[in-house]
Amino acid sequence: AAGVIQSPRHLIKEKRETATLKCYPIPRHDTVYWYQQGPGQDPQFLISFYEKMQSDKGSIPDRFSAQQFSDYHSELNMSSLELGDSALYFCASSLGGLGTEAFFGQGTRLTVV
Amino acid sequence: AQTVTQSQPEMSVQEAETVTLSCTYDTSESDYYLFWYKQPPSRQMILVIRQEAYKQQNATENRFSVNFQKAAKSFSLKISDSQLGDAAMYFCAYRGRSYNQGGKLIFGQGTELSVKP
Repeated sequence: AAGVIQSPRHLIKEKRETATLKCYPIPRHDTVYWYQQGPGQDPQFLISFYEKMQSDKGSIPDRFSAQQFSDYHSELNMSSLELGDSALYFCASSLGGLGTEAFFGQGTRLTVV
Repeated sequence: AQTVTQSQPEMSVQEAETVTLSCTYDTSESDYYLFWYKQPPSRQMILVIRQEAYKQQNATENRFSVNFQKAAKSFSLKISDSQLGDAAMYFCAYRGRSYNQGGKLIFGQGTELSVKP
């Protein structure tokens, strides 16, 4: 069965650079969630989209922005990167804004040097 | 705001034995979901088991079962016949069902489970 695809899997950027993370949800899933997991921490909700509209917003820095496109894939754009942005970024998708279960991608490991 | 608390940063179990991981949560909602996720060294988030708050019956998935105490806001995970492959970080998570909660997951701090051969 198709799963949530995230790209790239690994990314190394320098401070003050920009990064773009991509998420391709499971086919027919219309809701995407982004989470950030720092080293030794639990995942923290960043932002979500339902039917291409932002549905909820968590602790996402102003330097970050995201959107969901017409094909339901989503991109997380991160500018002016800081060392503290180094983390594992997960995307999850579900069917319906309050679907029973959200399925996680394998994550993108971002390292800022 | 909803919160999830896992008070056991680390747990250890002997292979083939049973272990219980604890989780408490706080919410003013009456309808929600609770989950246990497993995160092995690969860092993949794997759903272990799901409980719907309106269901009184405790969920069971093979060797994994939960003890859901709604009034006490407690949601523990029992792993029976522990296997080496069960070694991982386990996260308890809450998900509201009302539209103003948006469907996001709220995670506990995690419990690192080690399995001794």
